[in-house]
Amino acid sequence: QSALTQPASVSGSPGQSITISCTGTSSDVGGYNYVSWYQQHPGKAPQLMIYAVTNRPSGVSNRFSGSKSGNTASLTISGLQAEDEADYYCNSYTSSNTWVFGGGTKLTVL
Amino acid sequence: EVQLVESGGGLVQPGGSLRLSCAASGFTFSDYNMNWVRQAPGKGLEWVSHISGSSNNILYGDSVKGRFTISRDNAKNSLYLQMNSLRDEDTAVYYCARDRPRGYAFDYWGQGALVAVSS
Repeated sequence: QSALTQPASVSGSPGQSITISCTGTSSDVGGYNYVSWYQQHPGKAPQLMIYAVTNRPSGVSNRFSGSKSGNTASLTISGLQAEDEADYYCNSYTSSNTWVFGGGTKLTVL
Repeated sequence: EVQLVESGGGLVQPGGSLRLSCAASGFTFSDYNMNWVRQAPGKGLEWVSHISGSSNNILYGDSVKGRFTISRDNAKNSLYLQMNSLRDEDTAVYYCARDRPRGYAFDYWGQGALVAVSS
């Protein structure tokens, strides 16, 4: 199972919006509404930010939103803040009864 | 408060074995599916294995199939990963992660245990 494709890095200024894409295939992202997104700060464990494509867990800021079109899912962060600087990973369930992560995207807040 | 605490990491030679444990608290452990996810130094996340609450559904990633065994003891609120025939490329921080109640996403993670495979 190949990793999902994410851009290596994205950047934005405080207050701006950014979008991170996550491209898979019809066997994973496109085939199931089981895409999730994780934020990871250096040296810390990942934290769930979005599940089932568009849903936010309790306690996650509404500045974070998710969507999907075809084989590509997206994470949008609006009103960018310094604390959002982190690595972000997408994840999808697959037709092989496994889970696959994206390669990760480093978000820099300028 | 949900807590997951991994232990058992360390340095092991190629071809060796190691057993990781994950102690769970703050929730009814037997009601939840559990997973192991690893992260090689400076690299991304890789899903390793999944076990259902009753242990009747067990899944593995291709890179560890046949070498690693996931198990759980609901009476002890503990998750395990037995790792055999370890390779250099198994060097990583190993996280235990809980499935959401309806599954398909990992809502709580431990702090991780470092496994280093080197001669």
